[in-house]
Amino acid sequence: GQNIDQPTEMTATEGAIVQINCTYQTSGFNGLFWYQQHAGEAPTFLSYNVLDGLEEKGRFSSFLSRSKGYSYLLLKELQMKDSASYLCAVPGAGNNRKLIWGLGTSLAVNP
Amino acid sequence: DGGITQSPKYLFRKEGQNVTLSCEQNLNHDAMYWYRQDPGQGLRLIYYSQIVNDFQKGDIAEGYSVSREKKESFPLTVTSAQKNPTAFYLCASITNRGGNNEQFFGPGTRLTVL
Repeated sequence: GQNIDQPTEMTATEGAIVQINCTYQTSGFNGLFWYQQHAGEAPTFLSYNVLDGLEEKGRFSSFLSRSKGYSYLLLKELQMKDSASYLCAVPGAGNNRKLIWGLGTSLAVNP
Repeated sequence: DGGITQSPKYLFRKEGQNVTLSCEQNLNHDAMYWYRQDPGQGLRLIYYSQIVNDFQKGDIAEGYSVSREKKESFPLTVTSAQKNPTAFYLCASITNRGGNNEQFFGPGTRLTVL
């Protein structure tokens, strides 16, 4: 089957670094997405990893290990506006281009 | 600018009434999706359509119906058969012309059934 696990909640301090983990099980692998979702708004795309390693994009970086079925999102120099839910997703099996979504990690950034 | 629009942003209905949520995209995307989001539940797929005049049930299709008569439009009807319709509804689209499966989202419609 296909499954995604991520922590439900995390708390961090403004200016700090936080790592949000995601583990997945899929019948075939075709990349992993991270989205950010502020309360009451739509998810917005953050990153897509298909190869192993770290991809950096400004304050946000995403890491993938296909052999371990593991990814993390690294947020540096945290700002209050980073308080949001972070969703991990992987494409489902087959050719229907569906995404399998994790439940999301709610990050609270405190001053 | 290209994008996905959903209207209205907030919708109130009385119990027992059908209601249709609008989703329009001018991105020339082939596939469109409807999700429902409840607190702590993540995104759950209701229906999706990969091409015009074709659509498939997602994980929680009961009590919902859709149509895909035009490439740009994928309206969702929440029927009176849906037992707990109050939720945040998100529409998304994706191109079928290769790429990484990134889904683009509309702003969402928050439906409250009184």
